[in-house]
Amino acid sequence: EADIYQTPRYLVIGTGKKITLECSQTMGHDKMYWYQQDPGMELHLIHYSYGVNSTEKGDLSSESTVSRIRTEHFPLTLESARPSHTSQYLCASSATGFISGANVLTFGAGSRLTVL
Amino acid sequence: GQNIDQPTEMTATEGAIVQINCTYQTSGFNGLFWYQQHAGEAPTFLSYNVLDGLEEKGRFSSFLSRSKGYSYLLLKELQMKDSASYLCAVTTEGGSNYQLIWGAGTKLIIKP
Repeated sequence: EADIYQTPRYLVIGTGKKITLECSQTMGHDKMYWYQQDPGMELHLIHYSYGVNSTEKGDLSSESTVSRIRTEHFPLTLESARPSHTSQYLCASSATGFISGANVLTFGAGSRLTVL
Repeated sequence: GQNIDQPTEMTATEGAIVQINCTYQTSGFNGLFWYQQHAGEAPTFLSYNVLDGLEEKGRFSSFLSRSKGYSYLLLKELQMKDSASYLCAVTTEGGSNYQLIWGAGTKLIIKP
């Protein structure tokens, strides 16, 4: 049973549309992240949050925005989708502090976005 | 720059042993992770090494040498379900995930 949920799993939309990818977790984790992953490529961090009302941009430049109004919810929004946004988007969360010395990420199943 | 290198793809036989290598060059080091990712699914945590040596967890073991910037994941008694991509990631500062550097992953194909 998944503890972190992403919707939609698959989305095909036209250029210029506004989209929101939803991410929710039930573990009470304070840290949440959005990664972008293309086939055969490394994960790139695009946004992260260390708690409610805290959001930061990651290493990869992105035209998306995020919000963190509730601990469990971390949606990602693209105001105007373009074909270059076609990718897989992975949401993840982790707890503050360490479990066995590791700050382990729990990932959602991903949202695969195709922009035509 | 910072980078992590892993072989792109490996093939092994069911029941055999396979070693997946990972070399890294980063500005700092505060631990190395291995994650498993089946096609179309989420990555799941396998192991974490911060000190030199071997960590064993059932059929999977992970080794780290900080002086050499090198790690490997050892999979024993391979099963078909082990066919997946294996991702190596290094945390460079205080275990903060926003400082995670990821490799591109090694796709492991298991043949009967």
